Amino acid sequence: GQQVMQIPQYQHVQEGEDFTTYCNSSTTLSNIQWYKQRPGGHPVFLIQLVKSGEVKKQKRLTFQFGEAKKNSSLHITATQTTDVGTYFCAEKTSYDKVIFGPGTSLSVIP
Amino acid sequence: NAGVTQTPKFQVLKTGQSMTLQCAQDMNHEYMSWYRQDPGMGLRLIHYSVGAGITDQGEVPNGYNVSRSTTEDFPLRLLSAAPSQTSVYFCASSYIWGGTGELFFGEGSRLTVL
Repeated sequence: GQQVMQIPQYQHVQEGEDFTTYCNSSTTLSNIQWYKQRPGGHPVFLIQLVKSGEVKKQKRLTFQFGEAKKNSSLHITATQTTDVGTYFCAEKTSYDKVIFGPGTSLSVIP
Repeated sequence: NAGVTQTPKFQVLKTGQSMTLQCAQDMNHEYMSWYRQDPGMGLRLIHYSVGAGITDQGEVPNGYNVSRSTTEDFPLRLLSAAPSQTSVYFCASSYIWGGTGELFFGEGSRLTVL
């Protein structure tokens, strides 16, 4: 079945450093969604990308969807302690079910 | 707006017991789903539904049953609990037509099976 991989699994950064997580698929993705889950919380939707090569920004967060629609990235500029959490990519399939990657856990050292 | 409501928040079961996790949404979403989250495994889809009377299996359906008799409710049943079902369970819903594709999650239900 479909499988979305994420790297790295864990990332520790000093506050103010940049952070990037990558989402990779062996098959073409219909779209890519990104979610953030704070420790002890529930996942919260960040964004959905649909078009090949699409780039979207939300303040310090930049989301990219690869030209071949097989990979995506989330980049955070100048991390803050409020960025701590696990970031998941996910695909909403043609059957409407949403399949998640394993996530990247980010910790920020003040 | 309550959004997605899950009950109970915590539950301890003995092996072999049965229970139902409740999920209700008040956003008139067509799509509802259940995930389990285990350390290092991300969110794995158990069952999902695209409307009342329609359900389908996700990635890890064994040991779980669902039904969707109304648009609002999507209960998850464990017929004979096993220690391997110890996990945090999330219910999530979304629009199928229109919207941003956003999944709205409940607060989660932490289940321990002894």
